[in-house]
Amino acid sequence: NAGVTQTPKFRILKIGQSMTLQCAQDMNHNYMYWYRQDPGMGLKLIYYSVGAGITDKGEVPNGYNVSRSTTEDFPLRLELAAPSQTSVYFCASSPGGWNYEQFFGPGTRLTVL
Amino acid sequence: AQKITQTQPGMFVQEKEAVTLDCTYDTSDPSYGLFWYKQPSSGEMIFLIYQGSYDQQNATEGRYSLNFQKARKSANLVISASQLGDSAMYFCAMRDKDQGAQKLVFGQGTRLTINP
Repeated sequence: NAGVTQTPKFRILKIGQSMTLQCAQDMNHNYMYWYRQDPGMGLKLIYYSVGAGITDKGEVPNGYNVSRSTTEDFPLRLELAAPSQTSVYFCASSPGGWNYEQFFGPGTRLTVL
Repeated sequence: AQKITQTQPGMFVQEKEAVTLDCTYDTSDPSYGLFWYKQPSSGEMIFLIYQGSYDQQNATEGRYSLNFQKARKSANLVISASQLGDSAMYFCAMRDKDQGAQKLVFGQGTRLTINP
């Protein structure tokens, strides 16, 4: 199993550009999550999904959009990139169940200039 | 209000010593779960250990143990016989019913440095 994969690993955007961060998991997990981690800080939840076709906002959703058309994929869309979106983005998945941890992807480092 | 508080921004420990990383949490839900993750300089998030609020015993995983003091709402991570490879950021996280959908709330982390 590849686990949770994310592409790209690194990206530099200009202010106002858009992009999609890709996330896929091959563990058949229902729950998927997008976090951002600013330098020296903990992770903050952007969006999450409890299954295909179902998404909801997390703590910091402004400037982002998501979709979940399949169990495996959970892309994160950035529209009109701003310098405040410079961060490391992590995708995670979980099978659900109270004592299951979240499995994280390797992260995408995004810089907006 | 902060749900998870890690009061030690950085810690320095000699190799082979034991180290305790502090974590306090805030919830009114009797059912909750506490997690610790390690983030080395390479950036990935590695799950270390889990403690459920109804677990009678403190969780242990190899050199990692969780000192769970429910009345004090603390869930400190103890690393025994520290190694150079333990140098990393460590994050405490909590899941309770307020989060729903198995969401986690993370603390700000503690940077642990192991000196040879």
